[in-house]
Amino acid sequence: AQSVTQLGSHVSVSEGALVLLRCNYSSSVPPYLFWYVQYPNQGLQLLLKYTSAATLVKGINGFEAEFKKSETSFHLTKPSAHMSDAAEYFCAALNYGGATNKLIFGTGTLLAVQP
Amino acid sequence: DTGVSQDPRHKITKRGQNVTFRCDPISEHNRLYWYRQTLGQGPEFLTYFQNEAQLEKSRLLSDRFSAERPKGSFSTLEIQHTEQGDSAMYLCASSPGGRGHYYNEQFFGPGTRLTVL
Repeated sequence: AQSVTQLGSHVSVSEGALVLLRCNYSSSVPPYLFWYVQYPNQGLQLLLKYTSAATLVKGINGFEAEFKKSETSFHLTKPSAHMSDAAEYFCAALNYGGATNKLIFGTGTLLAVQP
Repeated sequence: DTGVSQDPRHKITKRGQNVTFRCDPISEHNRLYWYRQTLGQGPEFLTYFQNEAQLEKSRLLSDRFSAERPKGSFSTLEIQHTEQGDSAMYLCASSPGGRGHYYNEQFFGPGTRLTVL
């Protein structure tokens, strides 16, 4: 069964600084991995997904993530933080096969952006 | 594309009461999912439908919970005899289905926040 671990429940960066949000996964099958963002009192919006094509995945709003099989990681980065990036970010793995089709989420990382 | 909609957005109820939530998926999406999110946690899977068939239920879905998708379009989630531990955000998502589409994006609705007093 898949599991997802997000290191750091809270991350604070200055506006313009690099954003790095960490995600590690465990999976016995080829993983499909996702990053979602959640703004207060809203649903989740997909930032990007890895589906076994390119290991460097580019998403919306300048975010990207690199799949590293040797490290079982899928960290999310953005070169320059913007105030509007302040939100909660969730890494997820797809648990699939047979009748199963569900996302397994990490516990989330709350990103604060300081002016 | 109107997105996934959920109704109501907020529900306050007293312990022991029954509540029902509705989810309208993106039209032509044949997969529909329910998740529950408690404070400080990531969403947890509850159940999912392929068209009108409920294909998987989590152990989190106790006997007090029931979900339906009678015509393969909208879905309802009912909680009977609510308990304070049921207080959470209930999220609905939909995705295209079919062979080879299992890794398609799940589009989430805004959620229904339930508070049980």
